[in-house]
Amino acid sequence: DVKVTQSSRYLVKRTGEKVFLECVQDMDHENMFWYRQDPGLGLRLIYFSYDVKMKEKGDIPEGYSVSREKKERFSLILESASTNQTSMYLCASSQQGGSYEQYFGPGTRLTVT
Amino acid sequence: AQRVTQPEKLLSVFKGAPVELKCNYSYSGSPELFWYVQYSRQRLQLLLRHISRESIKGFTADLNKGETSFHLKKPFAQEEDSAMYYCALSPTGTASKLTFGTGTRLQVTL
Repeated sequence: DVKVTQSSRYLVKRTGEKVFLECVQDMDHENMFWYRQDPGLGLRLIYFSYDVKMKEKGDIPEGYSVSREKKERFSLILESASTNQTSMYLCASSQQGGSYEQYFGPGTRLTVT
Repeated sequence: AQRVTQPEKLLSVFKGAPVELKCNYSYSGSPELFWYVQYSRQRLQLLLRHISRESIKGFTADLNKGETSFHLKKPFAQEEDSAMYYCALSPTGTASKLTFGTGTRLQVTL
C-alpha cells in the first residue's frame, strides 16, 4: 500500500518565519509534487521534482523553494512566510510517465498569522 | 498553456438520480485526463483515468476530443458519492505533471 506522509497536519507560524514542510513516500517513486489547495481555486502546482536534486517550477513558485536530497523525501520551504500563504499544502508522488496515478499525502493546514 | 474548467462549484442531487459532473479542457495536443476524488476527512485519490476506459464505483467518463470534454457520469447517485471531485489534465510526456480544475462538490441527499 502506497504511503505518502507529511510531517504535520496543522501548523501555525508567524509572518516572516521560515517554514519547512516535509513529505516522505515509501514507494520508490521518481516524481514528487507540492500543491496548495484553496477553496474555489482547486489544486495549484508549486514545484515538482522528477529525480534527486532535480526540481522544476510549477504554476505558483513565488515565495517557495524546495529540496530533494533523497529520493523518498521532498521538502517545501517558505523562506519568509506571509499571510497569503495560509493554505492547505498537499504532497504527492508518482512513477515516471504521463498516465501514472499520483498518490497524495493527508495535507498540512498552514496558518500564517 | 493547458486549462481545465469545472463550471459548477456545487452539484446537489437526490439519491438515485443521475449525476453528471462537467469538465472541459483546453490543450493543443493529446492530453491524458483524470478524475480525482476527495471524501470527507480523506486524502485525495484517483477515481479514474480516460486511458483505462474503466468504470469505478459506477462512475464513467468519456473523452470527447471534439468538444474537449471529459464529463463524469453515474446513472444512480448514492449517499457515499458525496465528495469533492477534481478533473485533471496531464500533457503527454510531462512527467505526470497535472493541471487541476477548481473542483465540484457533489452533495447527494435523501
